[in-house]
Amino acid sequence: LAKTTQPISMDSYEGQEVNITCSHNNIATNDYITWYQQFPSQGPRFIIQGYKTKVTNEVASLFIPADRKSSTLSLPRVSLSDTAVYYCHAGGTSYGKLTFGQGTILTVHP
Amino acid sequence: GAGVSQSPSNKVTEKGKDVELRCDPISGHTALYWYRQSLGQGLEFLIYFQGNSAPDKSGLPSDRFSAERTGGSVSTLTIQRTQQEDSAVYLCASSSQTLTGDGYTFGSGTRLTVV
Repeated sequence: LAKTTQPISMDSYEGQEVNITCSHNNIATNDYITWYQQFPSQGPRFIIQGYKTKVTNEVASLFIPADRKSSTLSLPRVSLSDTAVYYCHAGGTSYGKLTFGQGTILTVHP
Repeated sequence: GAGVSQSPSNKVTEKGKDVELRCDPISGHTALYWYRQSLGQGLEFLIYFQGNSAPDKSGLPSDRFSAERTGGSVSTLTIQRTQQEDSAVYLCASSSQTLTGDGYTFGSGTRLTVV
């Protein structure tokens, strides 16, 4: 499992695009990159997963450069309800110990 | 069920008492995980199960903590002789055999308060 590093916090305003970058320098060949969102008093919730290049779903986009040593979660046109903690995880395709970093506290202002 | 279910949602207990926390994973998910999250902190891994066996117990903080899983489904996390530092939200997650697709699904957690 690759150790991940993210900014501790970020601030944004409603309607803006937010990009959160995660560093995972020792990512292994079979590791996937997954992002989770956590609201207060709730467990983390899966947002998006990718292996390389770009992945997009109805919630976010995930950009992964060719060397895969980092990834960027992009949230288009954020709203107040996107205020949460965002965790990046880089791990293999077989289950095992899931280690999260400290996450990024995103605060969206009116 | 449709998601990971944990019970109770809240538990207040006196120092020194034993507590049991329950996790009911998504049907068919072979892997089950327990985590702990203290106020304002990140997720601390405790233990994971593959079927009914626990290949990795490295995160259990002391021998007061134990967990079991029966029938490849429900799991219980037991904390004996609770201490105030055990106060936290205990989260359970489950996943299918591979992590591709939708990763881990977490429950809403059990908030444990030791007074």
